[in-house]
Amino acid sequence: AQSVTQLDSQVPVFEEAPVELRCNYSSSVSVYLFWYVQYPNQGLQLLLKYLSGSTLVKGINGFEAEFNKSQTSFHLRKPSVHISDTAEYFCAVRQSHQGGKLIFGQGTELSVKP
Amino acid sequence: GAVVSQHPSWVICKSGTSVKIECRSLDFQATTMFWYRQFPKQSLMLMATSNEGSKATYEQGVEKDKFLINHASLTLSTLTVTSAHPEDSSFYICSARNRDRAYNEQFFGPGTRLTVL
Repeated sequence: AQSVTQLDSQVPVFEEAPVELRCNYSSSVSVYLFWYVQYPNQGLQLLLKYLSGSTLVKGINGFEAEFNKSQTSFHLRKPSVHISDTAEYFCAVRQSHQGGKLIFGQGTELSVKP
Repeated sequence: GAVVSQHPSWVICKSGTSVKIECRSLDFQATTMFWYRQFPKQSLMLMATSNEGSKATYEQGVEKDKFLINHASLTLSTLTVTSAHPEDSSFYICSARNRDRAYNEQFFGPGTRLTVL
């Protein structure tokens, strides 16, 4: 069975500071990995995804993530955050076979303060 | 492209009534749609997987008679919460899988806030 663990439920950070949101997963088969952002009372927006190839993945809004197979991690990073990055962030994993379901982590609330 | 809409965006209803939520893929065909439920400050919980033209597959612990799902076309799935009660109040999110994308990319709707009084 797959599972996703987001190690930090809340991450407060000052504007223009770097941030890392941690995500670890467990799976016995190959997976696809995703990071989504959710603003209040809205649906999910895809930030970035890892399917295969380069382990460093760049996404929208200046975010990037690195897939580390040996550590089964997919941490999300941004070198300089903005107030507008304040939102809930979800890491998700999906088995790479066609019928695979998305399994979400518990979410990390990023709060950017001026 | 790849837009998913939900209607209504929010709904308030009385206890005991039924509520229907629609999920539409606007510019692509979706053989598979998913329904999630999200409680405040929590993650998304998959309720069921809906395949066009067949019965939905419900996750363990989800009452199929309470949460009726119909996926009658390649662009529309509906979730009906029957005899709603206050504990059904939640944020319901659907997603649609684009069958034409190489890895069947999944796109999310904006969500529907249900409040049962």
